[in-house]
Amino acid sequence: DTEVTQTPKHLVMGMTNKKSLKCEQHMGHRAMYWYKQKAKKPPELMFVYSYEKLSINESVPSRFSPECPNSSLLNLHLHALQPEDSALYLCASSTITHNNEQFFGPGTRLTVL
Amino acid sequence: RKEVEQDPGPFNVPEGATVAFNCTYSNSASQSFFWYRQDCRKEPKLLMSVYSSGNEDGRFTAQLNRASQYISLLIRDSKLSDSATYLCVVGYSSASKIIFGSGTRLSIRP
Repeated sequence: DTEVTQTPKHLVMGMTNKKSLKCEQHMGHRAMYWYKQKAKKPPELMFVYSYEKLSINESVPSRFSPECPNSSLLNLHLHALQPEDSALYLCASSTITHNNEQFFGPGTRLTVL
Repeated sequence: RKEVEQDPGPFNVPEGATVAFNCTYSNSASQSFFWYRQDCRKEPKLLMSVYSSGNEDGRFTAQLNRASQYISLLIRDSKLSDSATYLCVVGYSSASKIIFGSGTRLSIRP
């Protein structure tokens, strides 16, 4: 199984809603990542988890809250988002020991109204 | 100066042509190098890792020049299905951030 899966595919939420994005991989990877991608721009790193512990937070606003319940799952909890947070949210995973080849899930397309 | 720079294109070439993309990176501590392709409204997919010795995968050849901090991708005998955005990516230690270039758009015409 060489897939990273993400749910939901699409999400529309209001600025007062709380929602969560989910990511799962069964490749035995111990590093997992969240990225945000706006149209016609490259992905921007948000968070890195290494061995289920948060190792990098790229100064992301606290309305985004990541969680890594186990080595296969990664969540991104969303609360009080702004319309400018509308984007494609990508999850990725990689091994710890290899050369950082990252494999991406299909993403969640988020619209904040 | 951006950490990873690419020509944004777009490149519009006929089917069967050879096309070359270039990329430069500014941080000499970079340790890993990749080309990803991204189709419209899809996720980036790893095309190939790039090694100092150069590497080839079918119609695709990637080269790395550490002294000049330069990475290239050559696509021979281009197909319509090669139309995509090609992202040059540079990484540091494992399980850490990777830096994406802004991407080069390629369009192959029949």
